[in-house]
Amino acid sequence: GEDVEQSLFLSVREGDSSVINCTYTDSSSTYLYWYKQEPGAGLQLLTYIFSNMDMKQDQRLTVLLNKKDKHLSLRIADTQTGDSAIYFCAESILRAGGYQKVTFGIGTKLQVIP
Amino acid sequence: NAGVTQTPKFRILKIGQSMTLQCAQDMNHNYMYWYRQDPGMGLKLIYYSVGAGITDKGEVPNGYNVSRSTTEDFPLRLELAAPSQTSVYFCASSHKGSGANVLTFGAGSRLTVL
Repeated sequence: GEDVEQSLFLSVREGDSSVINCTYTDSSSTYLYWYKQEPGAGLQLLTYIFSNMDMKQDQRLTVLLNKKDKHLSLRIADTQTGDSAIYFCAESILRAGGYQKVTFGIGTKLQVIP
Repeated sequence: NAGVTQTPKFRILKIGQSMTLQCAQDMNHNYMYWYRQDPGMGLKLIYYSVGAGITDKGEVPNGYNVSRSTTEDFPLRLELAAPSQTSVYFCASSHKGSGANVLTFGAGSRLTVL
């Protein structure tokens, strides 16, 4: 079945790079996602990557996908205090009728130290 | 364009009481979802709907009911509230398409059952 795992906590200093890692079990994932949740708010999509891509870059964000090892990472360059949040990894798998089932990890809490 | 709107934001219930969490979206999305979020547990899918009149169980449906009479609305009903249902509830919606399944989340409803 689908399972997405990520570590619970990461602490970095302001200005450093942050790397949040995620592993998933289902090799038939079609897309992998990163969502951000700020305190008291819902999740917001940060970025996603198609499963046949290795890398995607969007300003300070770099997503790396190793499909062989089923490993996804999110790198945030020049981490700022405003990046402090919980980051969720997710995968989607195509089901009958064209529905893409999305499974979320438990979230990694990023703490940025000034 | 309000996105996904959830009401109420906060509610305290006594054991055995009933209530409905409301969710509405104005993006004409086909898919709608209800998740609960507990500390350290990530997001668990309660129910989802692929269109008006169609609902299906997620991972943790016991103690909840849903209906989808219109495309816009997807209420979640708790019939006999229990302390185990203390949680933060998120409604989300997404567009049916051939690409990534990107979810738009509401701001959440914090429910406490005493």
